[in-house]
Amino acid sequence: GENVEQHPSTLSVQEGDSAVIKCTYSDSASNYFPWYKQELGKGPQLIIDIRSNVGEKKDQRIAVTLNKTAKHFSLHITETQPEDSAVYFCAASRGNTPLVFGKGTRLSVIA
Amino acid sequence: DAGVIQSPRHEVTEMGQEVTLRCKPISGHDYLFWYRQTMMRGLELLIYFNNNVPIDDSGMPEDRFSAKMPNASFSTLKIQPSEPRDSAVYFCASSWGQGFVEQYFGPGTRLTVT
Repeated sequence: GENVEQHPSTLSVQEGDSAVIKCTYSDSASNYFPWYKQELGKGPQLIIDIRSNVGEKKDQRIAVTLNKTAKHFSLHITETQPEDSAVYFCAASRGNTPLVFGKGTRLSVIA
Repeated sequence: DAGVIQSPRHEVTEMGQEVTLRCKPISGHDYLFWYRQTMMRGLELLIYFNNNVPIDDSGMPEDRFSAKMPNASFSTLKIQPSEPRDSAVYFCASSWGQGFVEQYFGPGTRLTVT
């Protein structure tokens, strides 16, 4: 079955700096890769996702890149703000199979 | 849309009691998922429905857990009898048309079994 590894487990950045979170997956048939942001006491919020037919997708300050050959994908947050502080989860799926989540990255943005 | 709605937000109960968690998916969504989140195991899929029909319940940990979806706008997850190891945050999520793609999560129910 699919296995998703996520690094780092914690990340601290200064406000305004960039943050990068990386995930690797094992199932070469996976073709859907979402990223979720979870704030304290709330449910995971879908912030961006990418399908296997594209290599990069951007939405304002966030971007996701996918390298299918190497089976890894990354979340990039530029110009970080205190409100970006949260736990971020990556996941992978074949689209018609359950999402397999990484263990999460706790991002702290220091003002 | 109000998003996925879950109730109660917090539940504290004693071991052996029955617990019922409730979920209202986003209107128009035809997939509904129940997840459990713990520090040790992360996010686990318990069961999911398509058009109110249970499709895969292989993630339900024991027979003490059951889930129903009597109509397109309501689902329940029941634990009977509850045990301390059931303490976790339970999330409901829904999506439209593409199964596991673009799932939207509710705020969760934090269950504590003493």
